[in-house]
Order: sequence, then structure tokens, then C-alpha cells
Amino acid sequence: GPKVLQIPSHQIIDMGQMVTLNCDPVSNHLYFYWYKQILGQQMEFLVNFYNGKVMEKSKLFKDQFSVERPDGSYFTLKIQPTALEDSAVYFCASSVTGGSAETLYFGSGTRLTVL
Amino acid sequence: AQSVTQPDARVTVSEGASLQLRCKYSYSGTPYLFWYVQYPRQGLQLLLKYYSGDPVVQGVNGFEAEFIKSNSSFHLRKASVHWSDSAVYFCAVSAFGNEKITFGAGTKLTIKP
Repeated sequence: GPKVLQIPSHQIIDMGQMVTLNCDPVSNHLYFYWYKQILGQQMEFLVNFYNGKVMEKSKLFKDQFSVERPDGSYFTLKIQPTALEDSAVYFCASSVTGGSAETLYFGSGTRLTVL
Repeated sequence: AQSVTQPDARVTVSEGASLQLRCKYSYSGTPYLFWYVQYPRQGLQLLLKYYSGDPVVQGVNGFEAEFIKSNSSFHLRKASVHWSDSAVYFCAVSAFGNEKITFGAGTKLTIKP
């Protein structure tokens, strides 16, 4: 089936540094999402993105977070500066449309460790 | 706002036995309901979804789920599990006009031989 690729699978950085998580969504999809999952906890919605704009974001999407799809290929999540509580697995997802009943296609996640 | 509760963090069943994974949702209107599965080192994949019509929906690999509005439940079932069904299962809900999907905490299913 359609694949969403996330690069890298694991990233370790020092607190205060900047990190960019990359997502290669399914080619004909128009809506993009980031979810955050702290180990052993629920996967929580961060943000969704369409047509170059953030459509909705949660309270977890702090001011230090930003998303973009600069060249129409990778959908990125940037955290600058990082904090210890940003350690989690970040899942990217995409869908053809943004409808409520739409199927999301997920990547396998990037495990971010902030030291 | 919508929410999902999966009361069982871990479930273990024997291969060939039947399975039910529980899911309760909270939403005042008509929900859209999903079950996703996550195999080790992979992303979540859709098993099945409900948005209207027959409250019993069939999914891939012999899974089915039943929407019971009076109970606010959407339990996942399978008649006979296989060792390859070992994974983490997520129940999720969205609402008409809201593109955000809310996930439960997940149930880790282990199949013992």
C-alpha cells in the first residue's frame, strides 16, 4: 500500500539544539499531520497542514515548533530550541483529503531523544 | 471535544482463540470510528472504520468491529487469532467537520502459542 517515509528513524540531540524531522508523504496526498507519542503514553495530535498552511494545532504544538513543506516534497517538523520534554516518537501521516472519515497513512516514526 | 478510552493496556490470548479489544469513545454527536494496528517498527495501518450504515464493519485479516451507540463503544473482534496478529491496536475517533483524529492509548496484543 501507500508508504509514508520518515527520516531519520532515531535522532539524539542535546537540549537547546535545533532538530528537523523529515517526512516524505504519499505522493498524491494533500493533507499532512504530526503526532507525538511519549513512551508508554497516548499518541497525541500536534498539527495538520494543507496548502502551505497550518489548519489546526494542539496545545502541544509549542512556539518552538514549526512545520513546512518548502519544495513540495518533504514535510518537516522543526523544533528550535529543543527541551527535555520533547523526547518522544514523532509520527508523520498524510491523507488524500482532510475529511473526517479519511484514512491516514502513517510513517514508522522518528524517535527523538533530547539529552 | 472527542476522546477515546482503551481500558486494557495489554491483552494476551492463545493462538486460535477468539479476541475482543475494548474501546469506548466520548463525543456528543455522531462519531467516525477507526481501528488502526501498529506492527513492530512500522507505522500505523488502518484495519477498519465506521462512519455510517451497518454498525458491524468488516476489516482486513478477519477483524470486525461493532458500533454500539447506546454504549458508546466500538469493540474490535476476531474469531480466531494468529501469531501474526501480535501488535499494538489503536482505537480512534473523529467528528464531522473536524479533521483531527483522536487516538486511544493503545492495547498491546500478545498471541501465545
